Amino acid sequence: DQQVKQNSPSLSVQEGRISILNCDYTNSMFDYFLWYKKYPAEGPTFLISISSIKDKNEDGRFTVFLNKSAKHLSLHIVPSQPGDSAVYFCAASPTDSWGKFQFGAGTQVVVTP
Amino acid sequence: GAGVSQSPSNKVTEKGKDVELRCDPISGHTALYWYRQRLGQGLEFLIYFQGNSAPDKSGLPSDRFSAERTGESVSTLTIQRTQQEDSAVYLCASSLGLPGPYGYTFGSGTRLTVV
Repeated sequence: DQQVKQNSPSLSVQEGRISILNCDYTNSMFDYFLWYKKYPAEGPTFLISISSIKDKNEDGRFTVFLNKSAKHLSLHIVPSQPGDSAVYFCAASPTDSWGKFQFGAGTQVVVTP
Repeated sequence: GAGVSQSPSNKVTEKGKDVELRCDPISGHTALYWYRQRLGQGLEFLIYFQGNSAPDKSGLPSDRFSAERTGESVSTLTIQRTQQEDSAVYLCASSLGLPGPYGYTFGSGTRLTVV
Protein backbone atom coordinates (compact mmCIF):
# COMPACT_ATOMS: atom_id res chain seq x y z
CA ASP A 1 0.00 0.00 0.00
CA GLN A 2 1.88 3.01 -1.34
CA GLN A 3 0.92 5.94 0.88
CA VAL A 4 3.28 8.40 -0.83
CA LYS A 5 3.15 8.59 -4.59
CA GLN A 6 5.32 10.33 -7.11
CA ASN A 7 3.53 9.70 -10.36
CA SER A 8 6.17 11.15 -12.66
CA PRO A 9 9.14 8.81 -12.85
CA SER A 10 11.15 11.30 -14.85
CA LEU A 11 11.35 14.97 -15.74
CA SER A 12 13.53 16.72 -18.29
CA VAL A 13 14.03 20.46 -17.99
CA GLN A 14 16.24 23.01 -19.65
CA GLU A 15 18.93 24.72 -17.62
CA GLY A 16 17.64 27.98 -16.16
CA ARG A 17 13.99 26.93 -16.30
CA ILE A 18 11.77 25.81 -13.43
CA SER A 19 11.55 22.16 -12.34
CA ILE A 20 8.30 21.16 -10.65
CA LEU A 21 8.15 17.81 -8.90
CA ASN A 22 4.88 16.51 -7.52
CA CYS A 23 4.02 14.21 -4.64
CA ASP A 24 0.66 12.94 -3.44
CA TYR A 25 -0.13 11.17 -0.19
CA THR A 26 -3.10 9.28 1.16
CA ASN A 27 -2.55 9.22 4.92
CA SER A 28 -4.18 12.26 6.54
CA MET A 29 -2.06 11.64 9.65
CA PHE A 30 1.12 12.65 7.82
CA ASP A 31 2.19 15.99 9.19
CA TYR A 32 5.83 16.33 8.24
CA PHE A 33 7.28 16.07 4.79
CA LEU A 34 10.79 15.96 3.43
CA TRP A 35 12.45 15.93 0.04
CA TYR A 36 15.63 13.99 -0.48
CA LYS A 37 17.99 14.15 -3.42
CA LYS A 38 19.97 11.14 -4.61
CA TYR A 39 22.90 10.92 -6.98
CA PRO A 40 23.90 7.56 -8.51
CA ALA A 41 25.85 5.27 -6.15
CA GLU A 42 25.21 7.62 -3.22
CA GLY A 43 22.66 7.58 -0.44
CA PRO A 44 19.77 10.06 -0.42
CA THR A 45 20.59 13.43 1.17
CA PHE A 46 18.18 15.81 2.82
CA LEU A 47 17.09 18.73 0.67
CA ILE A 48 14.16 20.58 2.23
CA SER A 49 11.24 19.90 4.56
CA ILE A 50 7.87 21.30 5.50
CA SER A 51 5.61 20.92 8.48
CA SER A 52 1.84 20.67 8.08
CA ILE A 53 1.39 23.96 9.91
CA LYS A 54 2.91 25.70 6.90
CA ASP A 55 1.98 25.80 3.25
CA LYS A 56 5.33 26.94 1.90
CA ASN A 57 8.98 26.66 2.79
CA GLU A 58 11.77 28.23 0.81
CA ASP A 59 15.51 27.60 0.84
CA GLY A 60 17.47 29.30 -1.88
CA ARG A 61 16.47 27.89 -5.26
CA PHE A 62 14.23 25.27 -3.65
CA THR A 63 10.65 25.84 -2.52
CA VAL A 64 8.24 23.25 -1.23
CA PHE A 65 4.49 23.86 -1.31
CA LEU A 66 1.99 21.89 0.73
CA ASN A 67 -1.74 21.65 -0.01
CA LYS A 68 -3.18 19.68 2.90
CA SER A 69 -6.74 19.59 1.62
CA ALA A 70 -5.53 18.02 -1.63
CA LYS A 71 -2.90 15.89 0.14
CA HIS A 72 -0.39 17.18 -2.35
CA LEU A 73 3.02 18.73 -2.17
CA SER A 74 5.37 19.99 -4.79
CA LEU A 75 9.02 20.94 -5.03
CA HIS A 76 10.03 23.85 -7.22
CA ILE A 77 13.62 24.33 -8.34
CA VAL A 78 14.31 27.74 -9.84
CA PRO A 79 16.50 28.16 -11.80
CA SER A 80 17.39 24.56 -12.60
CA GLN A 81 21.10 23.80 -12.89
CA PRO A 82 22.94 20.78 -14.37
CA GLY A 83 23.99 19.75 -10.85
CA ASP A 84 20.32 19.32 -9.98
CA SER A 85 20.18 16.23 -12.19
CA ALA A 86 19.38 13.51 -9.67
CA VAL A 87 16.54 11.40 -8.31
CA TYR A 88 14.26 13.27 -5.91
CA PHE A 89 12.29 11.42 -3.23
CA CYS A 90 9.32 12.73 -1.33
CA ALA A 91 8.94 11.37 2.23
CA ALA A 92 6.29 11.78 4.92
CA SER A 93 5.81 10.89 8.54
CA PRO A 94 2.99 11.09 11.05
CA THR A 95 3.80 12.45 14.48
CA ASP A 96 2.59 9.30 16.24
CA SER A 97 5.18 7.12 14.52
CA TRP A 98 7.81 9.74 14.02
CA GLY A 99 10.92 8.50 12.29
CA LYS A 100 9.35 5.84 10.10
CA PHE A 101 9.22 7.86 6.95
CA GLN A 102 7.18 6.65 4.00
CA PHE A 103 8.91 7.35 0.71
CA GLY A 104 7.70 7.82 -2.82
CA ALA A 105 9.26 6.00 -5.76
CA GLY A 106 11.28 9.02 -6.80
CA THR A 107 11.44 11.31 -9.82
CA GLN A 108 14.52 11.34 -12.03
CA VAL A 109 15.31 14.93 -13.03
CA VAL A 110 17.57 15.63 -15.99
CA VAL A 111 18.64 19.21 -16.53
CA THR A 112 19.80 19.80 -20.09
CA PRO A 113 22.08 22.64 -21.25
CA GLY B 1 33.00 7.70 11.38
CA ALA B 2 32.16 10.76 9.36
CA GLY B 3 29.25 9.17 7.56
CA VAL B 4 27.13 6.05 7.44
CA SER B 5 29.19 3.25 5.95
CA GLN B 6 27.70 0.17 4.30
CA SER B 7 29.40 -2.94 3.04
CA PRO B 8 29.61 -4.54 0.64
CA SER B 9 28.60 -1.94 -1.93
CA ASN B 10 27.57 -4.68 -4.34
CA LYS B 11 26.68 -8.29 -3.75
CA VAL B 12 25.69 -10.95 -6.25
CA THR B 13 24.43 -14.18 -4.75
CA GLU B 14 22.79 -17.34 -5.92
CA LYS B 15 19.18 -17.99 -5.10
CA GLY B 16 18.88 -19.92 -1.85
CA LYS B 17 22.09 -18.63 -0.31
CA ASP B 18 22.23 -16.49 2.83
CA VAL B 19 23.66 -12.98 2.78
CA GLU B 20 24.76 -10.51 5.43
CA LEU B 21 24.77 -6.79 4.89
CA ARG B 22 26.63 -4.48 7.23
CA CYS B 23 25.99 -0.94 8.38
CA ASP B 24 28.29 1.32 10.42
CA PRO B 25 26.27 4.30 11.61
CA ILE B 26 27.62 7.72 12.44
CA SER B 27 29.37 7.58 15.79
CA GLY B 28 27.00 8.55 18.58
CA HIS B 29 23.84 8.05 16.55
CA THR B 30 21.47 6.03 18.66
CA ALA B 31 18.88 5.38 15.97
CA LEU B 32 19.49 3.13 12.98
CA TYR B 33 17.13 2.28 10.15
CA TRP B 34 17.16 -0.20 7.29
CA TYR B 35 15.26 0.49 4.08
CA ARG B 36 15.28 -1.20 0.72
CA GLN B 37 14.49 0.06 -2.73
CA ARG B 38 13.41 -2.40 -5.37
CA LEU B 39 13.52 -1.36 -9.00
CA GLY B 40 10.95 1.32 -9.79
CA GLN B 41 9.66 1.50 -6.24
CA GLY B 42 10.07 3.81 -3.28
CA LEU B 43 12.17 3.23 -0.23
CA GLU B 44 10.53 0.54 1.86
CA PHE B 45 10.99 0.62 5.64
CA LEU B 46 12.37 -2.64 7.05
CA ILE B 47 13.49 -2.22 10.65
CA TYR B 48 14.38 0.46 13.18
CA PHE B 49 16.70 0.33 16.19
CA GLN B 50 16.63 2.99 18.90
CA GLY B 51 19.22 2.66 21.62
CA ASN B 52 18.61 -0.37 23.81
CA SER B 53 14.88 -0.52 23.09
CA ALA B 54 13.34 -3.49 21.32
CA PRO B 55 13.64 -2.93 17.55
CA ASP B 56 10.63 -2.08 15.42
CA LYS B 57 10.57 -5.00 13.00
CA SER B 58 7.22 -4.17 11.49
CA GLY B 59 8.64 -3.68 7.98
CA LEU B 60 10.48 -6.97 7.61
CA PRO B 61 8.79 -8.71 4.65
CA SER B 62 9.25 -12.31 5.84
CA ASP B 63 10.92 -14.40 8.50
CA ARG B 64 13.85 -14.88 6.14
CA PHE B 65 14.87 -11.34 7.07
CA SER B 66 16.48 -10.50 10.40
CA ALA B 67 18.68 -7.74 11.74
CA GLU B 68 20.87 -7.25 14.75
CA ARG B 69 22.55 -4.33 16.35
CA THR B 70 24.91 -4.45 19.27
CA GLY B 71 24.45 -1.40 21.45
CA GLU B 72 24.72 1.75 19.40
CA SER B 73 27.20 0.42 16.89
CA VAL B 74 27.25 -1.80 13.85
CA SER B 75 24.13 -3.46 12.49
CA THR B 76 23.87 -6.49 10.24
CA LEU B 77 20.88 -7.33 8.07
CA THR B 78 20.68 -11.03 7.26
CA ILE B 79 18.59 -12.51 4.47
CA GLN B 80 18.30 -16.27 4.54
CA ARG B 81 17.53 -18.44 1.53
CA THR B 82 17.57 -15.46 -0.80
CA GLN B 83 14.96 -15.18 -3.53
CA GLN B 84 15.07 -13.17 -6.74
CA GLU B 85 12.52 -10.71 -5.36
CA ASP B 86 15.05 -9.81 -2.66
CA SER B 87 17.13 -8.07 -5.33
CA ALA B 88 17.21 -4.42 -4.32
CA VAL B 89 19.38 -1.65 -2.96
CA TYR B 90 19.48 -1.93 0.80
CA LEU B 91 19.97 1.41 2.51
CA CYS B 92 20.95 2.05 6.09
CA ALA B 93 20.39 5.38 7.83
CA SER B 94 21.13 6.75 11.26
CA SER B 95 20.11 9.69 13.40
CA LEU B 96 20.89 11.15 16.77
CA GLY B 97 17.87 9.94 18.68
CA LEU B 98 14.66 10.52 16.83
CA PRO B 99 15.38 12.24 13.54
CA GLY B 100 15.17 15.98 13.64
CA PRO B 101 13.71 18.17 10.93
CA TYR B 102 16.41 17.04 8.53
CA GLY B 103 15.51 13.38 8.66
CA TYR B 104 18.23 10.77 8.65
CA THR B 105 21.70 10.43 7.20
CA PHE B 106 21.82 7.62 4.69
CA GLY B 107 24.65 5.38 3.64
CA SER B 108 25.40 4.67 -0.02
CA GLY B 109 23.60 1.35 0.09
CA THR B 110 24.31 -2.26 -0.82
CA ARG B 111 23.08 -3.37 -4.22
CA LEU B 112 21.99 -6.99 -3.85
CA THR B 113 21.41 -9.08 -6.93
CA VAL B 114 20.02 -12.58 -6.54
CA VAL B 115 20.59 -14.76 -9.60
